[in-house]
Amino acid sequence: GQNIDQPTEMTATEGAIVQINCTYQTSGFNGLFWYQQHAGEAPTFLSYNVLDGLEEKGRFSSFLSRSKGYSYLLLKELQMKDSASYLCAVRPPDNYGQNFVFGPGTRLSVLP
Amino acid sequence: KAGVTQTPRYLIKTRGQQVTLSCSPISGHRSVSWYQQTPGQGLQFLFEYFSETQRNKGNFPGRFSGRQFSNSRSEMNVSTLELGDSALYLCASSPTRGSAADTQYFGPGTRLTVL
Repeated sequence: GQNIDQPTEMTATEGAIVQINCTYQTSGFNGLFWYQQHAGEAPTFLSYNVLDGLEEKGRFSSFLSRSKGYSYLLLKELQMKDSASYLCAVRPPDNYGQNFVFGPGTRLSVLP
Repeated sequence: KAGVTQTPRYLIKTRGQQVTLSCSPISGHRSVSWYQQTPGQGLQFLFEYFSETQRNKGNFPGRFSGRQFSNSRSEMNVSTLELGDSALYLCASSPTRGSAADTQYFGPGTRLTVL
């Protein structure tokens, strides 16, 4: 099966750096995605990792360790608009029964 | 390219009624997945369609059904609505099923309230 854990809520200050962790236990693995979802809006794609290491995209970076079943999303130079939920999603094997398994999401509040 | 569109955006129904939600994927995308999102349960997978065939189904009762048309547009239907069906229903499309790197692109969702 697939089980994904994320912290429920986090708070950080504008201009700071925050790391949102995601741990997963899966019977197979085809990649890990991060999505951002503002309140009342659709999730939007942020990053994709399939190999170990760090992927950097501007202020956002995502890290993956497949042996540890661990990923994190790093947000630098936080802005008020980064207040949102961040969803970690695993791409299971093709025969699993669904294309993506989502974690519960981490609600990030950025304070002035 | 236009994004994923969903209609209606908001819907209020009463218990026992049925509802049909519609999703138009991004042009050229053939895979459409549906999710139910609630504050307590997060994003729960409902089903996935590809080339008019249901490929996968999540752990939901038979009251939840769907279909996909030849133009890749998809509908989902919920019959005999219950209060617990109140949720945001999200549709997501992706180009294919074959590439692990294919991300899903979400529509704005339909907010269903059951009274």
